[in-house]
Amino acid sequence: KQEVTQIPAALSVPEGENLVLNCSFTDSAIYNLQWFRQDPGKGLTSLLLIQSSQREQTSGRLNASLDKSSGRSTLYIAASQPGDSATYLCAVFTGANSKLTFGKGITLSVRP
Amino acid sequence: EAQVTQNPRYLITVTGKKLTVTCSQNMNHEYMSWYRQDPGLGLRQIYYSMNVEVTDKGDVPEGYKVSRKEKRNFPLILESPSPNQTSLYFCASSLWSAGADTQYFGPGTRLTVL
Repeated sequence: KQEVTQIPAALSVPEGENLVLNCSFTDSAIYNLQWFRQDPGKGLTSLLLIQSSQREQTSGRLNASLDKSSGRSTLYIAASQPGDSATYLCAVFTGANSKLTFGKGITLSVRP
Repeated sequence: EAQVTQNPRYLITVTGKKLTVTCSQNMNHEYMSWYRQDPGLGLRQIYYSMNVEVTDKGDVPEGYKVSRKEKRNFPLILESPSPNQTSLYFCASSLWSAGADTQYFGPGTRLTVL
């Protein structure tokens, strides 16, 4: 059974800091991995999707990497801003049963 | 505007009173799914659909029903709600039938069952 872990559960950093959010998964037989952002009381917004054949994806200040063999992904946020404060979730898609398995998320607070 | 909509956004009901949460997408997506989000448990898949008239169970299907009679709609039905179904529910869709691409989420429905 696929399990996705995100540690720590919460993180507080000062504005301007570069930071890395980690995600690990137990079964490397994945189709892709997605990073989502969730604001309090809101839905999820997809930030980046990395196919299993890819190593990384970039969008603006965000860079996500994938090491499928070791079951790890990182989301790098450059020059963090207070507006980046949210919960960040990673999810892996397993094709065998068309299933997206989520981690529990990392709640990020960027202090002005 | 491309979006996934859910209705209602908030619902308070009583045990045993049948309810339906609607989900609709305007992106001609093949794949649709329902999740519930609970503190400490994260997001868990309830049901998914790879196309019209094709549905399958996710991790926590007990107490829920779904139907996919039209491509754009994927309602979630609680025939006899119980307090343990109090949760935040999300509908999601993606273009490919297998679901292996970017997922678009609705705004969520907060359900309270008394």
